[in-house]
Amino acid sequence: AQSVTQLDSHVSVSEGTPVLLRCNYSSSYSPSLFWYVQHPNKGLQLLLKYTSAATLVKGINGFEAEFKKSETSFHLTKPSAHMSDAAEYFCVVRVSGGYNKLIFGAGTRLAVHP
Amino acid sequence: NAGVTQTPKFQVLKTGQSMTLQCAQDMNHEYMSWYRQDPGMGLRLIHYSVGAGITDQGEVPNGYNVSRSTTEDFPLRLLSAAPSQTSVYFCASSGQAVGSPLHFGNGTRLTVT
Repeated sequence: AQSVTQLDSHVSVSEGTPVLLRCNYSSSYSPSLFWYVQHPNKGLQLLLKYTSAATLVKGINGFEAEFKKSETSFHLTKPSAHMSDAAEYFCVVRVSGGYNKLIFGAGTRLAVHP
Repeated sequence: NAGVTQTPKFQVLKTGQSMTLQCAQDMNHEYMSWYRQDPGMGLRLIHYSVGAGITDQGEVPNGYNVSRSTTEDFPLRLLSAAPSQTSVYFCASSGQAVGSPLHFGNGTRLTVT
């Protein structure tokens, strides 16, 4: 069965410093993986997705993620945090044969300090 | 350019009451789904639909019913509300292509007392 584990429930960074949000996945086949962001009192928005093309995926707002099969990881990074990046981030895997059924990680809340 | 619209935004129910959460999308998406979001648990799939007339259960379907009579609408019914159903509910839709991104509504915050 597919699953995702987000290794940190909270991450705090200073504005202008790098961001790293960690995600490990479990899948018996080559997965489709996503990162979604949720700002307070809002729905979720797609940041980026991996669907077996390039292993380094670039998303919106300067975020990118690298698919590493040997480590079963799909960590999200950004070189320089901005105050507007403060939000909750979800790592997501698509269920095999499940059309667009997605399994969400528990989320990582990112705080950005001035 | 409405996207996915959920109503109401907030709702308070007493235990045992029933209600329907509405979801409509104007993107002609075949796939629609309902999630609930609880602290520390991410989003969990309640029910989903791959087209009008077709629905299936997700991870946590108990206590909820759905129907899909049109492509646009996918209402979620709580048959007899329980405090355990206090949550934020999100409706999402997507196109048919594998890996198509989900488009989310802004959520309904439900409290059951």
